[in-house]
This record gives sequence, C-alpha cells and structure tokens, in this order.
Amino acid sequence: NAGVTQTPKFQVLKTGQSMTLQCAQDMNHNSMYWYRQDPGMGLRLIYYSASEGTTDKGEVPNGYNVSRLNKREFSLRLESAAPSQTSVYFCASTQGTYEQYFGPGTRLTVT
Amino acid sequence: GESVGLHLPTLSVQEGDNSIINCAYSNSASDYFIWYKQESGKGPQFIIDIRSNMDKRQGQRVTVLLNKTVKHLSLQIAATQPGDSAVYFCADANSGTYKYIFGTGTRLKVLA
Repeated sequence: NAGVTQTPKFQVLKTGQSMTLQCAQDMNHNSMYWYRQDPGMGLRLIYYSASEGTTDKGEVPNGYNVSRLNKREFSLRLESAAPSQTSVYFCASTQGTYEQYFGPGTRLTVT
Repeated sequence: GESVGLHLPTLSVQEGDNSIINCAYSNSASDYFIWYKQESGKGPQFIIDIRSNMDKRQGQRVTVLLNKTVKHLSLQIAATQPGDSAVYFCADANSGTYKYIFGTGTRLKVLA
C-alpha cells in the first residue's frame, strides 16, 4: 500500500515549456486534489476532483489543467510554464470529509 | 473571503514542555477541522481531527480543542520532543463541499 505517489520529484522547466505532473493513489478514494505551496504561504487549492469523471477549479486554477484519468490517477498539466509557477506541488486524496492523504510533492522550478 | 489563519508564525519551546499552537477560522459553516504536521521536504502528515459536534479530542500526546463560539482551534502537544520540530497546519472544511482551507502554518522549534 503506497498511499499517494507523485512523479516526478523534481523538475526544472524553461518559460513556455509544458509538462504534466502525475499523481496516483491506491486507497480507493473518490476525491483527489492538487495544491501548490509557496514559501510562507499555506496550501492553495489549484483543482480538485470530487469523484471520477468530475473536476472543479480551486483557488488558483489559472495556467493549469487537470485530468481525472480514472479513480486512481489525477494529473496536473502546465501548458506554458511561467516563473510564477515555481512552487512545490502536492497531490492529495480523501474519501468523504475526512483526513486528506498527501503525496511527497513535486518541486518545480521555472526559469 | 474565508480563511484559516494562525496567530504565531514561529513557536519555540523547551524539550519536555507542552506546546500550544493556535488557529482561527472564519467560515461558520465549517464542520470538520484537522491538524497536519509537515517536516522539511515532505508532504503534510495527519495528526488529529475533530468535528463540530465535539469540543475536545485527544490522541497520543496531542489534544485538539475547538471553540466554535469564537471560531478558534488549538493543538496541544504534551512533553514536546525534538521529533516534533516541524511546521503545523490547521485546515477546515464543510462536509459536502470537498474543499479544505489551509492556514499558513506555524513553525515549532524544540530547544534542547
């Protein structure tokens, strides 16, 4: 039981490049989330998927797209990376309104 | 807007003392509250949670207190140990909305 896994762990992009962050959970959770964490700030919700087949915007969705590929997987895509998207990205999952389980994070730098 | 905040950005305590980390929330409709611990370079880790029909909940060395009247949440850590050094986040949620609102975090430093 791996919990929530994220790939890659680290990534450096040039401005304008695209990439997809992958997330998978093996706990059969319905809901999955993408957050970003910047220094001195809390976790900010980018997008979430309440259940398979649905996605909704969070607090900071601009510049991102998501895909809920199946119940296990929820990916985050940056179509044209900008320096303002330099951050640590966390994926999380939960079943109902209970504790969220977080992945180890992806550290992204955009130059 | 609705937010969850913390009173102190950094808290330093002597090893063996008790720690109290405070949190204020603004959404009166929130009915679920949770504390996370985040160590450097890692994802947040669940500590303890509480629902709005409770005022207090205890775990191993940790206690969460909820005061709905003043929208205040606190985390008490008994006999603080060096391994407790980390950033602690509170978050709140409203059942059915699927959204959790996180505070900015308090850094706990345990002094030997």
